[in-house]
Amino acid sequence: NAGVMQNPRHLVRRRGQEARLRCSPMKGHSHVYWYRQLPEEGLKFMVYLQKENIIDESGMPKERFSAEFPKEGPSILRIQQVVRGDSAAYFCASSPQGTLSPLHFGNGTRLTVT
Amino acid sequence: ELKVEQNPLFLSMQEGKNYTIYCNYSTTSDRLYWYRQDPGKSLESLFVLLSNGAVKQEGRLMASLDTKARLSTLHITAAVHDLSATYFCAVDMEQGAQKLVFGQGTRLTINP
Repeated sequence: NAGVMQNPRHLVRRRGQEARLRCSPMKGHSHVYWYRQLPEEGLKFMVYLQKENIIDESGMPKERFSAEFPKEGPSILRIQQVVRGDSAAYFCASSPQGTLSPLHFGNGTRLTVT
Repeated sequence: ELKVEQNPLFLSMQEGKNYTIYCNYSTTSDRLYWYRQDPGKSLESLFVLLSNGAVKQEGRLMASLDTKARLSTLHITAAVHDLSATYFCAVDMEQGAQKLVFGQGTRLTINP
């Protein structure tokens, strides 16, 4: 049973470019979460999605960031016109519906903006 | 706003010793998680604590939760080198939503 799959593992973008981060949840999991980790810090909640539905995006910056989880295919976190401050590790996590079990995290995408 | 604070942030200890990591949080919550992260890797779930007085143990690690004091502890017994990692506690912002607020992490180094 494959875990949460994220790709790419590492992504380098120049300032002003777009970054697209992908996440496939564990099989049977219908809830996807995105968290951001800055160096030497804990993870910070960004957005919570179910299929075709954004449940809570209260942690997402209002501009340049968007997320989706289409009916088919992986969840995508999109960052437009990246800036140096966007450099971080972005983790996706998934969980089944209606459960108390902990989130299962992917290995993360490390974004570097040059 | 929910705040989660861990201490210490850095801990260097000798193998065989015992130590405790503390996690304080600022508002009521009855669900607390402990995760382990190795450098450059993802987070591995260690414990989920769901009620006041909950205690869970796995190997040399034991976690407890006191919801009245808003405090959780992670106790390490007779530490071994393999336990070197960063340990995070996290608390649910909204019950059942899995919107977690993480502590800053405790970087644990265990020296032979």
